[in-house]
Amino acid sequence: EPEVTQTPSHQVTQMGQEVILRCVPISNHLYFYWYRQILGQKVEFLVSFYNNEISEKSEIFDDQFSVERPDGSNFTLKIRSTKLEDSAMYFCASSYGQPNSPLHFGNGTRLTVT
Amino acid sequence: GNSVTQMEGPVTLSEEAFLTINCTYTATGYPSLFWYVQYPGEGLQLLLKATKADDKGSNKGFEATYRKETTSFHLEKGSVQVSDSAVYFCALSDQGSGGSYIPTFGRGTSLIVHP
Repeated sequence: EPEVTQTPSHQVTQMGQEVILRCVPISNHLYFYWYRQILGQKVEFLVSFYNNEISEKSEIFDDQFSVERPDGSNFTLKIRSTKLEDSAMYFCASSYGQPNSPLHFGNGTRLTVT
Repeated sequence: GNSVTQMEGPVTLSEEAFLTINCTYTATGYPSLFWYVQYPGEGLQLLLKATKADDKGSNKGFEATYRKETTSFHLEKGSVQVSDSAVYFCALSDQGSGGSYIPTFGRGTSLIVHP
């Protein structure tokens, strides 16, 4: 069964550095998402992406964040200048359609900012 | 805005016990409702869904009924197994301000089943 893959599984970075988290969604899916989960907290929506542009974003997704689908297969999340509070598990997800198609999640990237 | 509230965990049960995990929601529109499960070291995966009032979603012995009057979608299983130990997330999908649908998740409820 096709799956969403995320790399790396764990990223450690220093405060102020830029990080890029990578995802390969399921190939025939049309909607792409990034979520994050701070340890023990709820899964928070960051951004959704459709037709090569952002369709929705949350208050968390400020100017420090950006997303890109550079080559038709990868879907990336960039954090320009990381802060300690960006430490979390970041999940990429994709779905075929809306509103009832379920999301398919990757296994996540654990980001640790020191 | 939209939100999902789940009961606090962990929920600890013996094998073959009855499970209920409560979930209530707040939504501005008429959402679709989902339960996802997360096993250790993995991403979330869909367990079941319901798209309109009084629909019952079911999968692997788990069930949940969409109750519009009480804005609830409680997860139940008649007899849990050790392999059901995981974190369970209630979620809704409703239209955002941009017109597309945003899945919103609850905090997750950890289930621990002992032999």
